[in-house]
Amino acid sequence: ETGVTQSPTHLIKTRGQQVTLRCSSQSGHNTVSWYQQALGQGPQFIFQYYREEENGRGNFPPRFSGLQFPNYSSELNVNALELDDSALYLCASSPGKDQPQHFGDGTRLSIL
Amino acid sequence: QKEVEQNSGPLSVPEGAIASLNCTYSDRGSQSFFWYRQYSGKSPELIMSIYSNGDKEDGRFTAQLNKASQYVSLLIRDSQPSDSATYLCALRLNSGNTPLVFGKGTRLSVIA
Repeated sequence: ETGVTQSPTHLIKTRGQQVTLRCSSQSGHNTVSWYQQALGQGPQFIFQYYREEENGRGNFPPRFSGLQFPNYSSELNVNALELDDSALYLCASSPGKDQPQHFGDGTRLSIL
Repeated sequence: QKEVEQNSGPLSVPEGAIASLNCTYSDRGSQSFFWYRQYSGKSPELIMSIYSNGDKEDGRFTAQLNKASQYVSLLIRDSQPSDSATYLCALRLNSGNTPLVFGKGTRLSVIA
């Protein structure tokens, strides 16, 4: 049990639609990171929030955006969905710098 | 050159044997290293973290780090069928609150 919960578990969308994925991390875990994991690949870093401010971003287009809230929850929003956005989306949190990140169970997103 | 390289496998070992999983990385500034286990359809689970050269043991698992050779490994002693999973090597490029960079993972199969 990592204390990181994600919703929904699975989601099916069509091209061009928008989606919001949610994550709730442990109290005191000020850093939350989002990753995309395509089939057969390692997780790829999307972006990271620290105390409600984005403080790092990977090589993803602006249609991937996020928010972090004071209650340690966060969102990943993806606009104009494309077929290649089909993946497992992972939220991870950590209590402080240099500490390991712990993952939620992920959201499996399928784009038709 | 990819930042984190792992042999994708599958690596097959008999039950009770030692499984050796290897990872090389390209950035000499990498500070902290992690091994995650991922069962099919599930999210990554932290097994080990290692920050300094040498060996670190936790139960049946031993992580080994050699920063001069840019090499990190995971040994699993007395391998069990339940150890069959994909093992992801991850690192942080700098100290502090930076995201993880993952390899593609090595698929391990322990044969009963």
